Amino acid sequence: TVMTQSPATLSASPGERVSLSCRASQSVGIKLAWYQQRPGQAPRLLIYDASTRATGIPARFIGSGAGTEFTLSISSLQSEDVAVYYCQQYNHWPRPETFGQGTKVEIK
Amino acid sequence: QLQLRESGPGVVKPSETLSLTCTVSGGSINNSPHYWAWVRQPPGKGLEWLGSVFYTDINYNNPSFKSRVTISVDTSKNQFSLNLTSVTAADAAFYYCARHASYDTYYFDLWGLGALVAVSS
Repeated sequence: TVMTQSPATLSASPGERVSLSCRASQSVGIKLAWYQQRPGQAPRLLIYDASTRATGIPARFIGSGAGTEFTLSISSLQSEDVAVYYCQQYNHWPRPETFGQGTKVEIK
Repeated sequence: QLQLRESGPGVVKPSETLSLTCTVSGGSINNSPHYWAWVRQPPGKGLEWLGSVFYTDINYNNPSFKSRVTISVDTSKNQFSLNLTSVTAADAAFYYCARHASYDTYYFDLWGLGALVAVSS
């Protein structure tokens, strides 16, 4: 299962709503996670099962989708949201290409 | 709370074996209902899963690495380890240890801080 994320880079103003896309080459049901990796830090889990926020994750992070099309939305972009966001499928396991290539979010 | 910490040499010579250990604190690997994993990230690039191990030493490895990857667990030390043989410059990366959410749910719910490994003679 190949995971494809778009766009590669996204630039938006503080307070804007942004949407990141993750597409799977075959259905993964809802077994899709999103991670945030801030500059110089390890990844951290944001969303699992496509739409469930992990513990402590702000409500502005919203996951949606099922099957092959998934979206991570940030309802009101904050400066601390500058990061690379990765999606990961875990429906087909183990698989080498479990992660997408990432979307970098920048502040204008 | 549970924490993971990677340790090991920061530099490995080409053709030699990269060895890293992940120490788990704040909880026990033994009888834990989780797989434990290694994920790497070349500087400026994306994430790549290397392999995962259960406390019983059952493991799954990324077939892309052929037989270069070995992941093992030492429950007496509350650690699990990565060995990557015959390294080349392409193996230079940040290496993260991580925990799968459960024995049958394979997203990563906890990560270590990461260890940077260079490959140089």
